[in-house]
Amino acid sequence: DQQVKQNSPSLSVQEGRISILNCDYTNSMFDYFLWYKKYPAEGPTFLISISSIKDKNEDGRFTVFLNKSAKHLSLHIVPSQPGDSAVYFCAASAYNNNDMRFGAGTRLTVKP
Amino acid sequence: NAGVTQTPKFRILKIGQSMTLQCAQDMNHNYMYWYRQDPGMGLKLIYYSVGAGITDKGEVPNGYNVSRSTTEDFPLRLELAAPSQTSVYFCASSYSGRATDTQYFGPGTRLTVL
Repeated sequence: DQQVKQNSPSLSVQEGRISILNCDYTNSMFDYFLWYKKYPAEGPTFLISISSIKDKNEDGRFTVFLNKSAKHLSLHIVPSQPGDSAVYFCAASAYNNNDMRFGAGTRLTVKP
Repeated sequence: NAGVTQTPKFRILKIGQSMTLQCAQDMNHNYMYWYRQDPGMGLKLIYYSVGAGITDKGEVPNGYNVSRSTTEDFPLRLELAAPSQTSVYFCASSYSGRATDTQYFGPGTRLTVL
């Protein structure tokens, strides 16, 4: 039962362009959403999050957008850099619940 | 700070063997977690602990056991390894159990059961 879905296993963009990674969820109880970044042979590291009371959260080159009615969120990276090449996981949770559900990840490749 | 450390990095087991995956954190976090990641899938929670002596099941606990005798350590035990347990295992920790509290992950243990 995949409650969090990332339908694009991979994405390739040119350096300097925008990367847009998408995530859909099915559980309407989710009210907190996170993006994690993972390099090979390392554990995931937290990147950015958003609560359901907002529709946008920005941190430097990274912006997460939340569309609650569509149960959809996206991560925008602009401008993309080669160092951004990694696997990006979307995760969702209820606010006071540590049972976090992860998507399968999207492998982003940023070409110089 | 070393953060969250896991040993071993890699392990190959035969069906029916047992092993313990080690996890330690030096951030004085109360909460610790074990996840597994199968190919093409997201991370799934196996067990978690809210403090020394207290553990609880996650989404996929069958075939595993945990204990938490200290704040720092949270080992994961596989008693009778099965091919379905071939996966990458990640340990994580956080100060509280709230979703808003960042979970810090270890580098993972890649386990193959043949």
